[in-house]
Amino acid sequence: AQSVTQPDIHITVSEGASLELRCNYSYGATPYLFWYVQSPGQGLQLLLKYFSGDTLVQGIKGFEAEFKRSQSSFNLRKPSVHWSDAAEYFCAVGAGASGTYKYIFGTGTRLKVLA
Amino acid sequence: DAMVIQNPRYQVTQFGKPVTLSCSQTLNHNVMYWYQQKSSQAPKLLFHYYDKDFNNEADTPDNFQSRRPNTSFCFLDIRSPGLGDAAMYLCATSRDVGTQYFGPGTRLLVL
Repeated sequence: AQSVTQPDIHITVSEGASLELRCNYSYGATPYLFWYVQSPGQGLQLLLKYFSGDTLVQGIKGFEAEFKRSQSSFNLRKPSVHWSDAAEYFCAVGAGASGTYKYIFGTGTRLKVLA
Repeated sequence: DAMVIQNPRYQVTQFGKPVTLSCSQTLNHNVMYWYQQKSSQAPKLLFHYYDKDFNNEADTPDNFQSRRPNTSFCFLDIRSPGLGDAAMYLCATSRDVGTQYFGPGTRLLVL
């Protein structure tokens, strides 16, 4: 079955510390992979995406993610967290063919940043 | 800037009183999605339009309907809102298979 797992429901880091949010997926084909961020009361903002090619992708706001096929993972990283990064982060897999294409979302990771 | 717009941002309705949420897009994308998101949960897909073709998720209640009169607009109709329908409703668009772009959402409160 197709699924996306974000093992960490909550993560707390200090401002300036490094961050890694985990995402593991189960999907039969090469997936389209996405990370979104959601601030309270807002929609989802795309941080980065992976379709093919270089397995290390750069996104907005200083985020990057690495696709590891052997581990079925697409972990999100940031070398130095800012207080404004506090938000909910969702990993998603794009699944299906044209006409039936949809996202499978992970359950999300809520990031808290300590001053 | 090309974008996805949702109106209103906040909607208060009464139990059982029909309500319509709207979504418009300037991206000229052929696919439009409606999601329901409850507190501290991932978005849950209700249905989507691929061009004019409507695709309903199997577990979407009959209480939820949608219309897409043209490429740019899509509406979510809740025929008889219950307290359990209070949530954030998100609209998203994509160009066929690819990245979905989300609107800011409409927060629905049912009294």
